[in-house]
Amino acid sequence: AQSVTQLGSHVSVSEGALVLLRCNYSSSVPPYLFWYVQYPNQGLQLLLKYTSAATLVKGINGFEAEFKKSETSFHLTKPSAHMSDAAEYFCAVGQSSASKIIFGSGTRLSIRP
Amino acid sequence: GEEVAQTPKHLVRGEGQKAKLYCAPIKGHSYVFWYQQVLKNEFKFLISFQNENVFDETGMPKERFSAKCLPNSPCSLEIQATKLEDSAVYFCASSQGSGPLQNEQFFGPGTRLTVL
Repeated sequence: AQSVTQLGSHVSVSEGALVLLRCNYSSSVPPYLFWYVQYPNQGLQLLLKYTSAATLVKGINGFEAEFKKSETSFHLTKPSAHMSDAAEYFCAVGQSSASKIIFGSGTRLSIRP
Repeated sequence: GEEVAQTPKHLVRGEGQKAKLYCAPIKGHSYVFWYQQVLKNEFKFLISFQNENVFDETGMPKERFSAKCLPNSPCSLEIQATKLEDSAVYFCASSQGSGPLQNEQFFGPGTRLTVL
């Protein structure tokens, strides 16, 4: 079985500060890992994905995530937060190319001016 | 099309009424997925299709929920005799499938179902 745990339901950072959103996964097989962003009243947009290639994955909008097998983690980072980054972020895990995605409970990111 | 299209955007039903939601996947995508988002955060997988065949239905409630993907028609998710707890946003996603480079699921904007 697969599962995802996102630590912290709400993270608040100042504009220009480092963003760190935590995600730990559980999977009995090599996982596919994803970070999605959801803006208010909108659907999900893929930020980045890990599919067993490079462990450091770069995504859109300056975000990146590092796959650490030993820690079963896939934390999302961005060096400098922007006001437009305020949104809900979901970490997710999949088992194969055609399988369902299991989502974490989400982390709401707020940006302070 | 280039985006996953979902209709309607909003749907209001009285308890016990039927609700039918539609999804047009991206052209050329073989897989369609339905997810239910409740309380703004929790996503629950419902069902997936490979073309017109059910691929995984482990998340579908046994009663009241049904789904289809027929050739040359939008996919549909139908809820018979809606209940208050069915109020949620229903997202459809599609993917090309078959391989790690093609497994990204593209999500539609969702249908907000409100059961009164």
